[in-house]
Amino acid sequence: QQQVKQSPQSLIVQKGGISIINCAYENTAFDYFPWYQQFPGKGPALLIAIRPDVSEKKEGRFTISFNKSAKQFSLHIMDSQPGDSATYFCAASGGGGADGLTFGKGTHLIIQP
Amino acid sequence: NAGVTQTPKFRVLKTGQSMTLLCAQDMNHEYMYWYRQDPGMGLRLIHYSVGEGTTAKGEVPDGYNVSRLKKQNFLLGLESAAPSQTSVYFCASSQARPPQHFGDGTRLSIL
Repeated sequence: QQQVKQSPQSLIVQKGGISIINCAYENTAFDYFPWYQQFPGKGPALLIAIRPDVSEKKEGRFTISFNKSAKQFSLHIMDSQPGDSATYFCAASGGGGADGLTFGKGTHLIIQP
Repeated sequence: NAGVTQTPKFRVLKTGQSMTLLCAQDMNHEYMYWYRQDPGMGLRLIHYSVGEGTTAKGEVPDGYNVSRLKKQNFLLGLESAAPSQTSVYFCASSQARPPQHFGDGTRLSIL
């Protein structure tokens, strides 16, 4: 049972364009929604995160949009650069306890020069 | 990644062999986690610990055991390795949930 669904599986964007990755969740107890960036041979690195009391969070070129009623959230990468080429994972956590994160299956992003 | 060190980085085992993966963190974090990453599957939680001497099962615990005898170390054991356990294993730590800092992984192949 996959509780966080991520799309698309892969994405190609031209340099300078906007990259958009979407996630949907099922568990309404989730209360923390982070995005991770992973380069080949490395572990995931926390990129940006949001809690459901806000609808948008921006850090530099990265923005999370959150729609609580639709149970969806998305990552927008503005002015995408070749260095942004990586695999991106959305995740969700919550409901008490310390049971870690539920991850989406990942999006392989390629930024073409 | 700074603060979380995993050893070994690579390992090849034969079916039925046993081994232990070590995770060490120097940030005095209470929470530590073990995940496995398989192609197209994202990361799945194997076991976690909320403090020294404590462990709990995650989403895919079967075939694995863990121990946290010291706060800074979290060990993942495979008693009898199976080909289905071929994966990349990631350890993570945080002061509070959810996990914040990941290591660079252990790539394990079981023949």
